Amino acid sequence: QQQVKQSPQSLIVQKGGISIINCAYENTAFDYFPWYQQFPGKGPALLIAIRPDVSEKKEGRFTISFNKSAKQFSLHIMDSQPGDSATYFCAASNLGDDKIIFGKGTRLHILP
Amino acid sequence: NAGVMQNPRHLVRRRGQEARLRCSPMKGHSHVYWYRQLPEEGLKFMVYLQKENIIDESGMPKERFSAEFPKEGPSILRIQQVVRGDSAAYFCASSRLDGDTQYFGPGTRLTVL
Repeated sequence: QQQVKQSPQSLIVQKGGISIINCAYENTAFDYFPWYQQFPGKGPALLIAIRPDVSEKKEGRFTISFNKSAKQFSLHIMDSQPGDSATYFCAASNLGDDKIIFGKGTRLHILP
Repeated sequence: NAGVMQNPRHLVRRRGQEARLRCSPMKGHSHVYWYRQLPEEGLKFMVYLQKENIIDESGMPKERFSAEFPKEGPSILRIQQVVRGDSAAYFCASSRLDGDTQYFGPGTRLTVL
């Protein structure tokens, strides 16, 4: 049973465009939703995270939109750049639990 | 301030051998987590440890896998009698407190021939 579903599996965006990655979760006990960025050969790095008490969080070109009733959240990358090309993972966890549940990842490629 | 360190970065073993993966958490962090990433997959939780204690091993295979985090030294993930299906990237993460942000190391890529 996959608790965090992520789409699309891969995404190609023109430089300057908006990249959108979507995730859905099942467990209503989740209360922390981080996004991780992973470059080839590297470990995942925390990019941005949100808690369900807000509907949106923005940090620079990266925005998380959160819809609690639909149990969905998404990552928007504005003005996408070739350096953003990486694999992005959405994730969820429950305060008081120790494990992070990851989506399967989205391989993003930004065309120069 | 060094991040999470893992070694070796790459490890090749033949079927039946043992693999030992080491993880040194960030300075000031006493919580260590191990995850496994299969090709084209997300990371899957394996085990959560604090110094000298296994807190949650619900993601660990019941056989051949073990983990420890001694009072002194790095955390060790040990895989006995490796099989080809163990080939994966193994990531360690650490946090300062329970439920706090987890910071990941660069991973150990295990290849079983």
